[in-house]
Amino acid sequence: QSALTQPRSVSGSPGQSVTISCTGTSSDVGGYNYVSWYQQHPGKAPKLMIYDVSKRPSGVPDRFSGSKSGNTASLTISGLQAEDEADYYCCSYAGSYTWVFGTGTKVTVL
Amino acid sequence: EVQLVETGGGLIQPGGSLRLSCAASGFTVSSNYMSWVRQAPGKGLEWVSVIYSGGSTYYADSVKGRFTISRDNSKNTLYLQMNSLRAEDTAVYYCAGDSSSSRLDYWGQGTLVTVSS
Repeated sequence: QSALTQPRSVSGSPGQSVTISCTGTSSDVGGYNYVSWYQQHPGKAPKLMIYDVSKRPSGVPDRFSGSKSGNTASLTISGLQAEDEADYYCCSYAGSYTWVFGTGTKVTVL
Repeated sequence: EVQLVETGGGLIQPGGSLRLSCAASGFTVSSNYMSWVRQAPGKGLEWVSVIYSGGSTYYADSVKGRFTISRDNSKNTLYLQMNSLRAEDTAVYYCAGDSSSSRLDYWGQGTLVTVSS
């Protein structure tokens, strides 16, 4: 159950697009279409942004999109806004009814 | 409106035990998939345990044999019994749930557990 690998930080100017990668193995990200993404502002609980690789819960702006290729999943934020500045975590099913989170990425809006 | 409220955190000595509770409103614990996720100070999220709607329970290797997840349907409350606590268990513990096992749409505000002598 090793944590999935994410870049420590990414940044972009308002209106730009940023992409966060989430790299695992064939035993987790690559083996199942059960990748979700969570946004966490400082001192707050995480918020679900994407589930099942690319599905968006109601209420999440369509600026947020998810995808997967092989053992790497990605979250793209298009049209970056100031309120998108937060930590983002991926999460994947890892088999045997267990789950694993990513190391987390800090998104900075310049 | 769904609300999940965790209680039971605090300062505990290494080797001690603690039971966390997560009271739900607007959401039926027994009909959904309920998880515990923790976050050590300044660190990332770590999945801890899940209880399925059918009652099956599963754990991360780091807590297996020490932690027990359970629920009281009459109180609509989720629990995490934590035994043989270690310094590395120090974290904010969140309860979270959803109707699907592949996502966590509802989260509590978290409760801090500090394991220290």
